Amino acid sequence: DSGVTQTPKHLITATGQRVTLRCSPRSGDLSVYWYQQSLDQGLQFLIHYYNGEERAKGNILERFSAQQFPDLHSELNLSSLELGDSALYFCASSPHRDTQYFGPGTRLTVL
Amino acid sequence: DAKTTQPPSMDCAEGRAANLPCNHSTISGNEYVYWYRQIHSQGPQYIIHGLKNNETNEMASLIITEDRKSSTLILPHATLRDTAVYYCIVRALGVKDSNYQLIWGAGTKLIIKP
Repeated sequence: DSGVTQTPKHLITATGQRVTLRCSPRSGDLSVYWYQQSLDQGLQFLIHYYNGEERAKGNILERFSAQQFPDLHSELNLSSLELGDSALYFCASSPHRDTQYFGPGTRLTVL
Repeated sequence: DAKTTQPPSMDCAEGRAANLPCNHSTISGNEYVYWYRQIHSQGPQYIIHGLKNNETNEMASLIITEDRKSSTLILPHATLRDTAVYYCIVRALGVKDSNYQLIWGAGTKLIIKP
Protein backbone atom coordinates (compact mmCIF):
# COMPACT_ATOMS: atom_id res chain seq x y z
CA ASP A 1 0.00 0.00 0.00
CA SER A 2 1.62 3.23 -1.21
CA GLY A 3 -0.55 5.49 0.94
CA VAL A 4 -1.99 7.22 -2.14
CA THR A 5 -5.73 6.74 -2.61
CA GLN A 6 -7.79 7.21 -5.74
CA THR A 7 -11.53 7.17 -6.23
CA PRO A 8 -13.49 5.80 -7.87
CA LYS A 9 -11.78 2.55 -8.77
CA HIS A 10 -13.91 2.05 -11.87
CA LEU A 11 -15.96 4.52 -13.86
CA ILE A 12 -18.18 3.76 -16.84
CA THR A 13 -19.74 6.63 -18.73
CA ALA A 14 -20.91 7.69 -22.17
CA THR A 15 -19.31 9.83 -24.83
CA GLY A 16 -19.80 13.54 -24.31
CA GLN A 17 -20.05 13.24 -20.54
CA ARG A 18 -17.87 14.78 -17.86
CA VAL A 19 -16.22 12.94 -14.96
CA THR A 20 -14.06 13.82 -11.98
CA LEU A 21 -11.31 11.60 -10.65
CA ARG A 22 -10.03 12.14 -7.14
CA CYS A 23 -6.60 11.58 -5.62
CA SER A 24 -5.49 11.85 -2.00
CA PRO A 25 -1.71 11.99 -1.65
CA ARG A 26 0.41 10.42 1.05
CA SER A 27 0.44 12.33 4.30
CA GLY A 28 2.89 15.21 4.04
CA ASP A 29 3.41 14.99 0.27
CA LEU A 30 2.93 18.34 -1.43
CA SER A 31 3.30 17.19 -5.06
CA VAL A 32 0.66 15.36 -7.06
CA TYR A 33 1.20 14.02 -10.57
CA TRP A 34 -1.40 12.64 -12.95
CA TYR A 35 -0.64 10.01 -15.59
CA GLN A 36 -2.75 8.30 -18.26
CA GLN A 37 -2.21 4.72 -19.41
CA SER A 38 -4.17 3.57 -22.44
CA LEU A 39 -4.58 -0.14 -23.17
CA ASP A 40 -1.21 -1.86 -23.45
CA GLN A 41 0.54 1.50 -23.58
CA GLY A 42 3.09 3.14 -21.36
CA LEU A 43 2.20 5.82 -18.88
CA GLN A 44 1.89 9.35 -20.22
CA PHE A 45 2.44 12.31 -17.93
CA LEU A 46 -0.48 14.73 -17.82
CA ILE A 47 0.11 17.37 -15.16
CA HIS A 48 1.96 18.16 -11.93
CA TYR A 49 0.74 20.23 -8.98
CA TYR A 50 2.78 21.36 -6.02
CA ASN A 51 1.09 22.78 -2.95
CA GLY A 52 -1.89 23.99 -4.94
CA GLU A 53 -0.01 25.41 -7.90
CA GLU A 54 0.35 23.95 -11.36
CA ARG A 55 4.04 23.26 -11.99
CA ALA A 56 4.29 21.33 -15.24
CA LYS A 57 2.05 20.15 -18.05
CA GLY A 58 2.53 17.18 -20.28
CA ASN A 59 0.32 15.71 -22.96
CA ILE A 60 -2.90 16.92 -21.40
CA LEU A 61 -5.83 17.67 -23.68
CA GLU A 62 -7.66 20.98 -23.41
CA ARG A 63 -10.79 19.00 -22.46
CA PHE A 64 -8.95 17.85 -19.33
CA SER A 65 -8.20 20.02 -16.31
CA ALA A 66 -6.95 19.47 -12.81
CA GLN A 67 -6.62 21.25 -9.53
CA GLN A 68 -5.09 20.70 -6.12
CA PHE A 69 -7.02 21.86 -3.09
CA PRO A 70 -5.75 23.38 0.20
CA ASP A 71 -5.97 19.97 1.88
CA LEU A 72 -3.65 18.76 -0.94
CA HIS A 73 -6.06 16.33 -2.53
CA SER A 74 -6.33 16.67 -6.29
CA GLU A 75 -9.04 16.21 -8.86
CA LEU A 76 -8.71 15.50 -12.56
CA ASN A 77 -11.69 16.65 -14.60
CA LEU A 78 -12.32 15.06 -17.98
CA SER A 79 -15.02 16.58 -20.17
CA SER A 80 -16.59 15.96 -23.58
CA LEU A 81 -15.39 12.40 -23.23
CA GLU A 82 -14.47 10.39 -26.30
CA LEU A 83 -14.01 6.65 -26.76
CA GLY A 84 -10.26 7.19 -26.90
CA ASP A 85 -10.23 8.60 -23.38
CA SER A 86 -10.84 5.11 -22.02
CA ALA A 87 -7.74 4.36 -19.99
CA LEU A 88 -6.25 3.88 -16.56
CA TYR A 89 -5.60 7.15 -14.78
CA PHE A 90 -2.97 7.15 -12.05
CA CYS A 91 -1.96 9.79 -9.63
CA ALA A 92 1.33 9.81 -7.79
CA SER A 93 2.53 11.90 -4.90
CA SER A 94 5.94 12.91 -3.61
CA PRO A 95 7.34 15.32 -1.04
CA HIS A 96 8.42 17.42 -4.07
CA ARG A 97 11.48 16.69 -6.11
CA ASP A 98 11.65 13.13 -4.96
CA THR A 99 10.46 9.61 -5.48
CA GLN A 100 6.88 9.36 -6.71
CA TYR A 101 4.48 6.88 -5.12
CA PHE A 102 1.51 5.78 -7.15
CA GLY A 103 -2.10 5.15 -6.29
CA PRO A 104 -4.08 2.11 -7.49
CA GLY A 105 -5.60 4.02 -10.40
CA THR A 106 -9.05 4.72 -11.78
CA ARG A 107 -10.18 2.68 -14.76
CA LEU A 108 -12.31 4.85 -17.03
CA THR A 109 -14.46 3.23 -19.70
CA VAL A 110 -16.22 5.49 -22.19
CA LEU A 111 -19.00 3.78 -24.13
CA ASP B 1 15.78 13.17 -19.73
CA ALA B 2 17.99 10.45 -21.15
CA LYS B 3 16.45 7.60 -23.07
CA THR B 4 16.63 4.05 -21.76
CA THR B 5 16.70 0.73 -23.58
CA GLN B 6 15.43 -2.48 -22.00
CA PRO B 7 14.79 -5.95 -23.41
CA PRO B 8 11.06 -6.39 -24.09
CA SER B 9 10.77 -9.62 -22.14
CA MET B 10 12.67 -12.04 -19.90
CA ASP B 11 12.00 -15.30 -18.11
CA CYS B 12 13.39 -16.39 -14.78
CA ALA B 13 12.91 -19.52 -12.71
CA GLU B 14 11.28 -19.14 -9.33
CA GLY B 15 13.85 -18.93 -6.54
CA ARG B 16 16.62 -17.78 -8.85
CA ALA B 17 18.00 -14.27 -9.14
CA ALA B 18 16.39 -12.13 -11.82
CA ASN B 19 18.82 -9.72 -13.47
CA LEU B 20 17.15 -6.99 -15.51
CA PRO B 21 19.46 -4.87 -17.67
CA CYS B 22 18.96 -1.26 -18.70
CA ASN B 23 21.03 0.80 -21.09
CA HIS B 24 21.14 4.56 -20.59
CA SER B 25 24.20 5.58 -22.58
CA THR B 26 23.22 9.27 -22.81
CA ILE B 27 22.66 9.75 -19.09
CA SER B 28 23.74 13.10 -17.67
CA GLY B 29 25.70 13.66 -14.50
CA ASN B 30 22.69 14.83 -12.50
CA GLU B 31 20.32 12.08 -13.63
CA TYR B 32 19.30 9.28 -11.31
CA VAL B 33 18.33 5.79 -12.40
CA TYR B 34 14.90 4.78 -11.08
CA TRP B 35 13.21 1.39 -11.24
CA TYR B 36 9.50 0.83 -10.96
CA ARG B 37 7.36 -2.19 -11.67
CA GLN B 38 3.75 -2.58 -12.64
CA ILE B 39 1.86 -5.75 -11.85
CA HIS B 40 -0.96 -6.15 -14.33
CA SER B 41 -2.90 -2.85 -14.42
CA GLN B 42 -2.03 -2.00 -10.83
CA GLY B 43 -0.37 1.27 -9.90
CA PRO B 44 3.37 1.35 -10.58
CA GLN B 45 5.41 0.38 -7.55
CA TYR B 46 8.67 2.11 -6.71
CA ILE B 47 11.54 -0.34 -6.31
CA ILE B 48 14.85 1.48 -5.99
CA HIS B 49 16.93 4.34 -7.37
CA GLY B 50 20.55 5.38 -7.47
CA LEU B 51 22.98 7.93 -8.86
CA LYS B 52 26.33 6.19 -9.19
CA ASN B 53 26.82 3.90 -6.24
CA ASN B 54 25.25 0.49 -6.01
CA GLU B 55 22.12 0.45 -3.89
CA THR B 56 20.26 -2.26 -2.01
CA ASN B 57 16.96 -2.31 -0.20
CA GLU B 58 14.52 -4.94 0.98
CA MET B 59 13.17 -5.45 -2.54
CA ALA B 60 16.18 -5.40 -4.83
CA SER B 61 19.73 -4.36 -5.61
CA LEU B 62 20.75 -1.83 -8.24
CA ILE B 63 24.13 -2.14 -9.87
CA ILE B 64 25.27 0.89 -11.90
CA THR B 65 28.36 0.60 -14.10
CA GLU B 66 31.26 2.93 -13.40
CA ASP B 67 30.62 4.94 -16.58
CA ARG B 68 26.90 5.04 -15.61
CA LYS B 69 25.86 4.05 -19.11
CA SER B 70 24.04 0.95 -17.97
CA SER B 71 22.56 -0.63 -14.88
CA THR B 72 21.12 -3.91 -13.67
CA LEU B 73 18.24 -4.47 -11.30
CA ILE B 74 18.63 -7.66 -9.31
CA LEU B 75 15.75 -9.45 -7.61
CA PRO B 76 17.73 -11.92 -5.49
CA HIS B 77 15.15 -14.68 -5.05
CA ALA B 78 12.36 -14.22 -7.57
CA THR B 79 8.86 -15.41 -6.69
CA LEU B 80 5.78 -15.77 -8.85
CA ARG B 81 4.53 -12.47 -7.42
CA ASP B 82 7.47 -10.71 -9.07
CA THR B 83 5.94 -11.28 -12.49
CA ALA B 84 5.42 -7.73 -13.77
CA VAL B 85 6.60 -5.12 -16.24
CA TYR B 86 9.77 -3.47 -14.96
CA TYR B 87 10.56 0.09 -15.98
CA CYS B 88 13.98 1.72 -15.90
CA ILE B 89 13.73 5.52 -15.91
CA VAL B 90 16.41 8.16 -15.75
CA ARG B 91 15.43 11.41 -14.17
CA ALA B 92 17.17 14.58 -13.12
CA LEU B 93 16.56 16.02 -9.70
CA GLY B 94 17.42 19.56 -10.63
CA VAL B 95 15.52 22.75 -10.18
CA LYS B 96 13.19 22.73 -13.19
CA ASP B 97 9.74 21.44 -12.33
CA SER B 98 9.41 19.99 -15.79
CA ASN B 99 12.11 17.52 -14.85
CA TYR B 100 10.04 15.75 -12.25
CA GLN B 101 7.63 13.98 -14.51
CA LEU B 102 8.58 10.39 -15.21
CA ILE B 103 9.11 9.44 -18.85
CA TRP B 104 8.02 5.82 -19.28
CA GLY B 105 9.30 3.46 -21.94
CA ALA B 106 7.93 0.03 -22.76
CA GLY B 107 9.79 -1.71 -19.94
CA THR B 108 10.73 -5.37 -19.59
CA LYS B 109 8.01 -7.94 -19.07
CA LEU B 110 9.48 -10.34 -16.52
CA ILE B 111 7.82 -13.71 -16.22
CA ILE B 112 8.74 -15.87 -13.26
CA LYS B 113 8.23 -19.54 -14.01
CA PRO B 114 7.61 -22.24 -11.38
